[in-house]
Amino acid sequence: AQSVTQLGSHVSVSEGALVLLRCNYSSSVPPYLFWYVQYPNQGLQLLLKYTTGATLVKGINGFEAEFKKSETSFHLTKPSAHMSDAAEYFCAVSVNTGGFKTIFGAGTRLFVKA
Amino acid sequence: DAGVIQSPRHEVTEMGQEVTLRCKPISGHNSLFWYRQTMMRGLELLIYFNNNVPIDDSGMPEDRFSAKMPNASFSTLKIQPSEPRDSAVYFCASSLDRGAVDEQFFGPGTRLTVL
Repeated sequence: AQSVTQLGSHVSVSEGALVLLRCNYSSSVPPYLFWYVQYPNQGLQLLLKYTTGATLVKGINGFEAEFKKSETSFHLTKPSAHMSDAAEYFCAVSVNTGGFKTIFGAGTRLFVKA
Repeated sequence: DAGVIQSPRHEVTEMGQEVTLRCKPISGHNSLFWYRQTMMRGLELLIYFNNNVPIDDSGMPEDRFSAKMPNASFSTLKIQPSEPRDSAVYFCASSLDRGAVDEQFFGPGTRLTVL
């Protein structure tokens, strides 16, 4: 069965600093990997996803993530944090198993300090 | 497209009352999901439909919860009777019918408070 672990329930960075949100997954079959963002009082929305091909994936708002199979990781980064990036971020893994199932991580809340 | 539509956005009810949450998925999407989000338990999948048929309801907490999808453009999640521990934000999401590769599009959620 697949699982997702997000390291750190809270991450705080200064505006302009690097953002690094960690995600490790477990899957017995090739996974599809996603990062979603949730702003206050809103539903989740897709930031980026990895399906196949290039392992460095670029998403919206300057975010990117790299799929590292050897490390079973899919960490999310952004070179320079902006105040508007403050939100909760969810990593998710999805696999085809006859049907399919998507498992979401517990989420990491990002705080951006002025 | 207006996106996934959920109603009501907020619901306050008393313990023992029936609660019905509604969802309209994005037109053309064949998969529909109901999630519950709480501080303690995070985001939990309750049930998943594909082509209006329930595929996985293993996340439905107990018999008080039921979900239906009578057609491709409408789904309901019902709690009867409601309890204070059901207080949470309930999200509906939909996706295209291509399996694991598809992202899910979430509605704005219904914030349920059971007194």
